[in-house]
Amino acid sequence: EDKVVQSPLSLVVHEGDTVTLNCSYEVTNFRSLLWYKQEKKAPTFLFMLTSSGIEKKSGRLSSILDKKELFSILNITATQTGDSAVYLCAVGRDTGNQFYFGTGTSLTVIP
Amino acid sequence: EPEVTQTPSHQVTQMGQEVILRCVPISNHLYFYWYRQILGQKVEFLVSFYNNEISEKSEIFDDQFSVERPDGSNFTLKIRSTKLEDSAMYFCASSGSPRTPQHFGDGTRLSIL
Repeated sequence: EDKVVQSPLSLVVHEGDTVTLNCSYEVTNFRSLLWYKQEKKAPTFLFMLTSSGIEKKSGRLSSILDKKELFSILNITATQTGDSAVYLCAVGRDTGNQFYFGTGTSLTVIP
Repeated sequence: EPEVTQTPSHQVTQMGQEVILRCVPISNHLYFYWYRQILGQKVEFLVSFYNNEISEKSEIFDDQFSVERPDGSNFTLKIRSTKLEDSAMYFCASSGSPRTPQHFGDGTRLSIL
């Protein structure tokens, strides 16, 4: 059975800290891994990863994929209160259109 | 930036009634999806739609569910005879191709009484 596991389930940090969120997967015919940020409503797209070892970066956020060990990490440096959200990892297969989501990591950044 | 819009934001319905959830995908996208998220649980795939037909569906998407693109802009999810366990947030998403990121709407919170 295909599955996506995220850790930790929740995290509380102080502003300025650096956090690392983890996503491991067991999905046949892997195609891509996506990171989303979910605040109160819609998951908003952050990164799409398809190749191992290539870091994607956007401001204070960065992500990398390891297709051999079947995981990805999302790093957030110099966290701000606006980073507080649930971060979702989703994995897509080469066969089919659906994405398999993890349960998410709830990040709370305290001032 | 173009976005996916969903209406209504909240729908309250009696068990056994039919509901229609509406979505307007991003205009140049060709692939459309419905997901649901039961409170406290993970986002689950329901169905994908391309070229006016279902391209993939999950086990959740049984005979009580149907999707339709009634015109050039709307994409709807119909639940025929709602059950208590259908209470969830329903997200619509769209993408330009199956290999590009899916963009989500704000969701419709469906509450079945």
